[in-house]
Amino acid sequence: DAGITQSPRHKVTETGTPVTLRCHQTENHRYMYWYRQDPGHGLRLIHYSYGVKDTDKGEVSDGYSVSRSKTEDFLLTLESATSSQTSVYFCAIRDRGFEQYFGPGTRLTVT
Amino acid sequence: RKEVEQDPGPFNVPEGATVAFNCTYSNSASQSFFWYRQDCRKEPKLLMSVYSSGNEDGRFTAQLNRASQYISLLIRDSKLSDSATYLCVVNPQTASSYKLIFGSGTRLLVRP
Repeated sequence: DAGITQSPRHKVTETGTPVTLRCHQTENHRYMYWYRQDPGHGLRLIHYSYGVKDTDKGEVSDGYSVSRSKTEDFLLTLESATSSQTSVYFCAIRDRGFEQYFGPGTRLTVT
Repeated sequence: RKEVEQDPGPFNVPEGATVAFNCTYSNSASQSFFWYRQDCRKEPKLLMSVYSSGNEDGRFTAQLNRASQYISLLIRDSKLSDSATYLCVVNPQTASSYKLIFGSGTRLLVRP
């Protein structure tokens, strides 16, 4: 158990509304990641963080922003949700090596 | 070409069978390799890291072939509880080497 929680676990929202997903970790890991998982695409990196206030884009960052004001929290924001952002979102932390450990996920539906 | 490719399956095998999955990767400089397991509607969980000499963990054996750029996972004596999707994961060793590249997964169904 890597001590990662995500909230909310499920959310239904309407197109055009802002949505923020939260990832919380308790073990002081420096690296944190946000992925989305869709059928046929596998896990794709949205944004990642390598420290407080240090973030960078992944391969599918358009339409998403992130913030990390504390080591333990990494927030993912959809500024104006679209139906194409309906997905399962996973947060992960990187341990001492290159292994990553995942939170339980958030299922987001944009109607 | 995808950076990490896997046969999506499903592989449908009886209990007790031996099953093998292969995965190919495109970046020859890759150094770190992993297999993750993902149950339906759950998060991926690390199954094993793949070392250059190959490694074994109980019924699971992972092999790395750098010359052909593929990784394999062998499961012996399959159990019903092995039914899941198996993700092949590669660290491409680029400048941003803290990123992992995930395959789309191979689905395994073990039947009684």
